[in-house]
Amino acid sequence: SAVISQKPSRDICQRGTSLTIQCQVDSQVTMMFWYRQQPGQSLTLIATANQGSEATYESGFVIDKFPISRPNLTFSTLTVSNLSPEDSSIYLCSVDGTGFPDTQYFGPGTRLTVL
Amino acid sequence: QQQVKQSPQSLIVQKGGISIINCAYENTAFDYFPWYQQFPGKGPALLIAIRPDVSEKKEGRFTISFNKSAKQFSLHIMDSQPGDSATYFCAARMDSSYKLIFGSGTRLLVRP
Repeated sequence: SAVISQKPSRDICQRGTSLTIQCQVDSQVTMMFWYRQQPGQSLTLIATANQGSEATYESGFVIDKFPISRPNLTFSTLTVSNLSPEDSSIYLCSVDGTGFPDTQYFGPGTRLTVL
Repeated sequence: QQQVKQSPQSLIVQKGGISIINCAYENTAFDYFPWYQQFPGKGPALLIAIRPDVSEKKEGRFTISFNKSAKQFSLHIMDSQPGDSATYFCAARMDSSYKLIFGSGTRLLVRP
């Protein structure tokens, strides 16, 4: 399994500002994913980030609002732009595992509160 | 077709009892079904997973039962313990997409 860290673990931001979340993995991985988990809700995939190519966004999520960088095989960032209270959520980074069974391993999450 | 329906939304079980959480899906292209356990303030952690070529998989106190014809699968937690109190998510995936589709989650409380 992969060990995943995220920074910051939590933040409180003012509306209209932006927050950049970092995700660091202890091993090289091909695919990294960003999820949103609204309070008491399930996980929704925002986008898939592959190194060396543009992120692939899911329906309802756009690059202008959620720009993603993937500069190498162990690191990615997600920026949540032009914050509104509706963006208050937990944002989770995950990576695809290797071997059987392939699955996804999740970071601890970043809890964002927008005032 | 992309949904995974999970029930119940919440579950209270006495210590030592059996916890059962159910999920159903429509898309027959799904071929990988993991269960995740999430404690407050933590990211989801893989608990157990199954592929549709087997009907049951057991790991310790955790068992997945899979009914391919009914397109249903369930998680059984035997001898439930207070430390099992967490939110459980079922999920489904097509190998071709890498995308996990999550159920809505079940909050389990195991009373001492």
